[in-house]
Amino acid sequence: DAGVTQSPTHLIKTRGQHVTLRCSPISGHKSVSWYQQVLGQGPQFIFQYYEKEERGRGNFPDRFSARQFPNYSSELNVNALLLGDSALYLCASSLDRVTEAFFGQGTRLTVV
Amino acid sequence: GESVGLHLPTLSVQEGDNSIINCAYSNSASDYFIWYKQESGKGPQFIIDIRSNMDKRQGQRVTVLLNKTVKHLSLQIAATQPGDSAVYFCAEMWGSARQLTFGSGTQLTVLP
Repeated sequence: DAGVTQSPTHLIKTRGQHVTLRCSPISGHKSVSWYQQVLGQGPQFIFQYYEKEERGRGNFPDRFSARQFPNYSSELNVNALLLGDSALYLCASSLDRVTEAFFGQGTRLTVV
Repeated sequence: GESVGLHLPTLSVQEGDNSIINCAYSNSASDYFIWYKQESGKGPQFIIDIRSNMDKRQGQRVTVLLNKTVKHLSLQIAATQPGDSAVYFCAEMWGSARQLTFGSGTQLTVLP
């Protein structure tokens, strides 16, 4: 079985640009969450989607948005990129909202 | 690869010894806990979970202990192997949002 897949694996963007990160959950999983991991820290929660609806949002500015598609894949969008947005962006999928979450390999975003 | 361990607490153990990694969680209302292992350049890997109605749970070579009185979680790894070298995070979950809140992580190094 394929695990959680994220694309792209690495990305370099310039300040002010926008970026779209993609995530495909494990087959059968309906919940997708996004996390930001800055170097040297644990992942920080950004969004959770379940059954295509936003179910939770972390303490991130409105420049961050996401959506979940009918096939349960998800996109994370970040507008007006700042240097501080440089991080590893992780997607996690779970069967529902209360069971264990499995993470993808992440997308390494560098903003220059 | 990603150097998530640069500013993290560290634990060094001899190969074959048992390891104990500790975590203090923040919210007394947390009802679900997960331990993750993160190797350099990779996403967090699920190790074991425990719900708040349990004190102990065992997996293959790993045991998680939960002490709700002092809000403390521990991960015990038996017969530690070189492949166990990684950063270990505990994560807690509470409330209707069901988001994971991660601890700061511990860098485990297995010495030959």
